[in-house]
Amino acid sequence: NAGVMQNPRHLVRRRGQEARLRCSPMKGHSHVYWYRQLPEEGLKFMVYLQKENIIDESGMPKERFSAEFPKEGPSILRIQQVVRGDSAAYFCASSPPPSYEQYFGPGTRLTVT
Amino acid sequence: QQQVKQSPQSLIVQKGGISIINCAYENTAFDYFPWYQQFPGKGPALLIAIRPDVSEKKEGRFTISFNKSAKQFSLHIMDSQPGDSATYFCAASRSSWGKLQFGAGTQVVVTP
Repeated sequence: NAGVMQNPRHLVRRRGQEARLRCSPMKGHSHVYWYRQLPEEGLKFMVYLQKENIIDESGMPKERFSAEFPKEGPSILRIQQVVRGDSAAYFCASSPPPSYEQYFGPGTRLTVT
Repeated sequence: QQQVKQSPQSLIVQKGGISIINCAYENTAFDYFPWYQQFPGKGPALLIAIRPDVSEKKEGRFTISFNKSAKQFSLHIMDSQPGDSATYFCAASRSSWGKLQFGAGTQVVVTP
């Protein structure tokens, strides 16, 4: 049973470019969460999605960031016009309904140059 | 405003010793308290979790102690091994939320 998959694992973007991060949840999981981890810091919640619905986006910056979880395919976290401060590790987690347990992927490490 | 406070920031323990990490929370609506283990360059891995209806949960060498009245919970790693060297995060959530609120993390180093 494959775990949560994220790609790419490493992503380098220049300032002003777009970053697209993908997350495929574990089989049977329909809830997806995105977290951001800055260097030497804990994980901060960004957004919680179910298939075709954004449930909670209270942790997501109002500008430049968006997320989706379509009926088919992976969840996408999109960052437009990246800035140096967006450099971080972005983790996706999934859980089966109804369950508290969240299982994390290996993360995408975004570097903005 | 950090809803979950974790201490210490770092911890050095000898092989065979006990590692103790503490967390405190403010929101009494929290009803799920997991601990995650993270190795460098990897994603957090769920280690053990507890609900407020029990005061202690043990899985192998890992034990969570929960004090509802004090709004505190802790992770004890018994017989610590060098392979336990990692960063440990406590977290909290509530049923209507979904999202996890994480502590800042504790870097544990187990010396041979």
